[in-house]
Amino acid sequence: QQQVKQSPQSLIVQKGGISIINCAYENTAFDYFPWYQQFPGKGPALLIAIRPDVSEKKEGRFTISFNKSAKQFSLHIMDSQPGDSATYFCAATLGGYQKVTFGTGTKLQVIP
Amino acid sequence: KAGVTQTPRYLIKTRGQQVTLSCSPISGHRSVSWYQQTPGQGLQFLFEYFSETQRNKGNFPGRFSGRQFSNSRSEMNVSTLELGDSALYLCASSLNEDGYTFGSGTRLTVV
Repeated sequence: QQQVKQSPQSLIVQKGGISIINCAYENTAFDYFPWYQQFPGKGPALLIAIRPDVSEKKEGRFTISFNKSAKQFSLHIMDSQPGDSATYFCAATLGGYQKVTFGTGTKLQVIP
Repeated sequence: KAGVTQTPRYLIKTRGQQVTLSCSPISGHRSVSWYQQTPGQGLQFLFEYFSETQRNKGNFPGRFSGRQFSNSRSEMNVSTLELGDSALYLCASSLNEDGYTFGSGTRLTVV
């Protein structure tokens, strides 16, 4: 019940296109859903996060869509750039700063 | 301001040995968590400390332990190393409910 399922495992998008990564969770007690971006040799960096009382959150080119009834959330990267090429992890947590359950990661490659 | 600092960055150990990894959180952050990252298992939670107390623990054997000092710095220890312990060990610190800041990790290789 603590799992967070993430898809796809890898994604290739043309520059300027939209990258979409999907996640689903089981535990309805989760109350904070962050997305992390990880470059090779670096730790994950918090990209954007949402709480279940909001259906959408946008920060620049990054948007989280959240569907509480379906227990699903997704990351949309608009106007994808080669610099966005990284591994993206969705996550869910109880109480924000406590144990974080991560998805399995999506390796995004944006080609020129 | 300085980020989360982990030392050492790289470590090679032999099976059966023990290892201690260090983490200095962002100044003012009292919550420190540790994660293990491997290609096969992804990011897995080890434990979380707040004000020197372990608040949460993941599903790892007792060979994995940690502690937090009064200045919020944290260490994790792995005893009797196994080949499967080879991984990137990540430390993260948090001030409030708005998520973690991760360090760059310690790459542990067990031979």
